[in-house]
Amino acid sequence: AQKVTQAQTEISVVEKEDVTLDCVYETRDTTYYLFWYKQPPSGELVFLIRRNSFDEQNEISGRYSWNFQKSTSSFNFTITASQVVDSAVYFCALSSVQGAQKLVFGQGTRLTINP
Amino acid sequence: GEEVAQTPKHLVRGEGQKAKLYCAPIKGHSYVFWYQQVLKNEFKFLISFQNENVFDETGMPKERFSAKCLPNSPCSLEIQATKLEDSAVYFCASIRDRVDQPQHFGDGTRLSIL
Repeated sequence: AQKVTQAQTEISVVEKEDVTLDCVYETRDTTYYLFWYKQPPSGELVFLIRRNSFDEQNEISGRYSWNFQKSTSSFNFTITASQVVDSAVYFCALSSVQGAQKLVFGQGTRLTINP
Repeated sequence: GEEVAQTPKHLVRGEGQKAKLYCAPIKGHSYVFWYQQVLKNEFKFLISFQNENVFDETGMPKERFSAKCLPNSPCSLEIQATKLEDSAVYFCASIRDRVDQPQHFGDGTRLSIL
């Protein structure tokens, strides 16, 4: 069975600090896809990034960066110089063809950025 | 359209009543997924469709929940004889045709059972 674990339930930091959100996954599939979604207080789900299991290159997009390590089954998300607008619940998710393409979500990490 | 459209935004029902939720996927998207989010965190997969056909229903509570995706109509999720535990936000998502594509989510329907 597939599983995604986000061990950090809540994180609170002061604005401009860097923060890393952890994500660990379990799957027996050799080809799979990893995603991060942001859910702001307004409730919608915003897609942030997708990674496939064959691409371990780290990715940077502005203040956001992602570190994918197959050896530790982790796909961590770092926000540099955090801002109040980054406050949200962040979800890591996994999908695969063998899993019928449905997303398996982690429990989410509530991130609060204090001014 | 260019967005997944879910209606209504909010739905209030008394326990034991029926609830019906709708989802119009992005035009040209072949797959539709339904998820239930309880208490603003945990997501539970319910069911998915490939066009009008059920693709995966492993998460669907069989007794009271049903869903359809018919041609030229929004997809629907219906709950018969609602229970307090059905209170949640129900999200619909769609993808064009491949698992590596990100799922595009609607804004969700908040179902409150009183």
